Amino acid sequence: GQQVMQIPQYQHVQEGEDFTTYCNSSTTLSNIQWYKQRPGGHPVFLIQLVKSGEVKKQKRLTFQFGEAKKNSSLHITATQTTDVGTYFCAGPWGQFYFGTGTSLTVIP
Amino acid sequence: DAGITQSPRHKVTETGTPVTLRCHQTENHRYMYWYRQDPGHGLRLIHYSYGVKDTDKGEVSDGYSVSRSKTEDFLLTLESATSSQTSVYFCAISERPGTSGYEQYFGPGTRLTVT
Repeated sequence: GQQVMQIPQYQHVQEGEDFTTYCNSSTTLSNIQWYKQRPGGHPVFLIQLVKSGEVKKQKRLTFQFGEAKKNSSLHITATQTTDVGTYFCAGPWGQFYFGTGTSLTVIP
Repeated sequence: DAGITQSPRHKVTETGTPVTLRCHQTENHRYMYWYRQDPGHGLRLIHYSYGVKDTDKGEVSDGYSVSRSKTEDFLLTLESATSSQTSVYFCAISERPGTSGYEQYFGPGTRLTVT
């Protein structure tokens, strides 16, 4: 929706490079979720962040919730071809909204 | 993957015809959602249901109606399809509302083309 900005829209990286996508909200959130969608697939839940300043890790993925709970980021260290897909943030901006997503291409 | 199926998986229809998409779940989750996905717009909520016969509108509900007569089934109807409704439609389910931080599980999607 209009209340959430996700950047960048597209990102091409060489395999082994790092990748970061950002989700910025105009309002404070109670929680934020991240999803991944492989090409031709459906969105799959990755993680949820609830606390201010929270940082969670899943192997090479690091998720962060801003101190003001108005922004979040997903960082992938040393990308692999299996990381290809679109990453969405999602959260309760009134109703439940998804960001427009960041499409990640990994060049072998 | 959660037990969610969508039917049909692909459909081509003509402008002005009615179309019904079906979502079926075996998880007994209370909440069910219909989204459409278009390039540059991400996923946009069409309608959702918080129980049998309990539904509400989402961000892009114009031109769509829904029904839920059983916990396991959530139907999306396009009363008179238009070319602007060409999209990929995803059904999702969750135990509690997504706004409360409960994850959503998605079905495989239905690709609808309106000619």
